[in-house]
Amino acid sequence: EVQLVQSGAEVKKPGDSLRISCKGSGYSFTSYWIGWVRQMPGKGLEWMGIIYPGDSDTRYSPSFQGQVIISAVKSISTAYLQWSRLKASDTAMYYCVRIMGYRSGWYDYWGQGTLVTVSS
Amino acid sequence: EIVMTQSPATLSVSPGERATLSCRASQSVTSNLAWYQQKPGQAPRLLIYGASTRATGIPARFTGSGSGTEFTLTISSLQSEDFAVYYCQQYDNWGTFGQGTKVEIK
Repeated sequence: EVQLVQSGAEVKKPGDSLRISCKGSGYSFTSYWIGWVRQMPGKGLEWMGIIYPGDSDTRYSPSFQGQVIISAVKSISTAYLQWSRLKASDTAMYYCVRIMGYRSGWYDYWGQGTLVTVSS
Repeated sequence: EIVMTQSPATLSVSPGERATLSCRASQSVTSNLAWYQQKPGQAPRLLIYGASTRATGIPARFTGSGSGTEFTLTISSLQSEDFAVYYCQQYDNWGTFGQGTKVEIK
């Protein structure tokens, strides 16, 4: 069974750093692109960026370029999303997804989401 | 960036009735279009990809159609579990989403 299991909810202060994780199982982790999707409170879905764990090829949405870093460690089938300096506007639910296709495809499996709250 | 526009924002439908949701792309995405369903407190779930192919386990009452810039998701006879928010997503050029259509009980 394919699963994407994300790390737990986080409460941070503005200026803090943070890394959240997404562990894949039940499939060949290095053979599919993984993406990250943001959902701000009461809002819609936004594509942030993607990574190919096989060679760590990474692409970012223009809206998130320079704001976050996406990485992966294939030996432990885990992808990461990290911030160096959080802002209150980073408060959101973040989902990791498995992408069908080469870089640009549909999202067939979703993680359960990680809620990030940034507040002073 | 390709902009996806969904209409209406909210659709009020009685159980058993048909629901028709629309999605328009700012430029052609051929058939590279997916639909997702999201219920409160849950992650989105893939319904349709390739504009018209149902994902594994999705009931036949969900039908996707369209190509190019105009797409439709039809739910033939709404069940109680279908009241949710629906998003379209183009993946012809990366992956932008529409703003969502909320299907609520009339």
